[in-house]
Amino acid sequence: DAKTTQPTSMDCAEGRAANLPCNHSTISGNEYVYWYRQIHSQGPQYIIHGLKNNETNEMASLIITEDRKSSTLILPHATLRDTAVYYCIVRLNAGGTSYGKLTFGQGTILTVHP
Amino acid sequence: DAGITQSPRHKVTETGTPVTLRCHQTENHRYMYWYRQDPGHGLRLIHYSYGVKDTDKGEVSDGYSVSRSKTEDFLLTLESATSSQTSVYFCAITRQPNQPQHFGDGTRLSIL
Repeated sequence: DAKTTQPTSMDCAEGRAANLPCNHSTISGNEYVYWYRQIHSQGPQYIIHGLKNNETNEMASLIITEDRKSSTLILPHATLRDTAVYYCIVRLNAGGTSYGKLTFGQGTILTVHP
Repeated sequence: DAGITQSPRHKVTETGTPVTLRCHQTENHRYMYWYRQDPGHGLRLIHYSYGVKDTDKGEVSDGYSVSRSKTEDFLLTLESATSSQTSVYFCAITRQPNQPQHFGDGTRLSIL
């Protein structure tokens, strides 16, 4: 699986959009970009994933650059409850020997302040 | 939220004792995973299961065994716990390996 690079920490004001970047310059053509977050003392929570096209769901939007070497997770209206560690993960969307293993890096600590 | 229950949520035990952690799901998902989370290491895969009685090792499987006798339960056993196994353990499930995994709330295990 391709390696990802994320900023260690970011701040965001409540009600504003939070834009979390991720660099995955070695991503291959059949690897997807996944985003998870982990709120203190809880299990990781799936947010969104995509391959090439931008994706949006009820939680967030995912913007993937045309060359797929980087992406941005957007929380459109951040709340205090969005304070968490956000993980960008790149993986093959297939079974095989990995059987769907997720490789978590250090992530970005997002702090939403009033 | 996915129907995943991990038990116990917290446990303190002594070195050398056996410990079993349980992951129970109500989603009828085929794939189940055990991860551990330690400071500076992120989450690391211990073992996974791709069906009843079908399991395989992850990247940090030494000192751990698993069993899956029915779809809904995936057990993680530390035969003789060591202090290096002090960690937070997470179970995850998914219907297919190319779909998102959903995690339980974890078990905080301390080995003294």
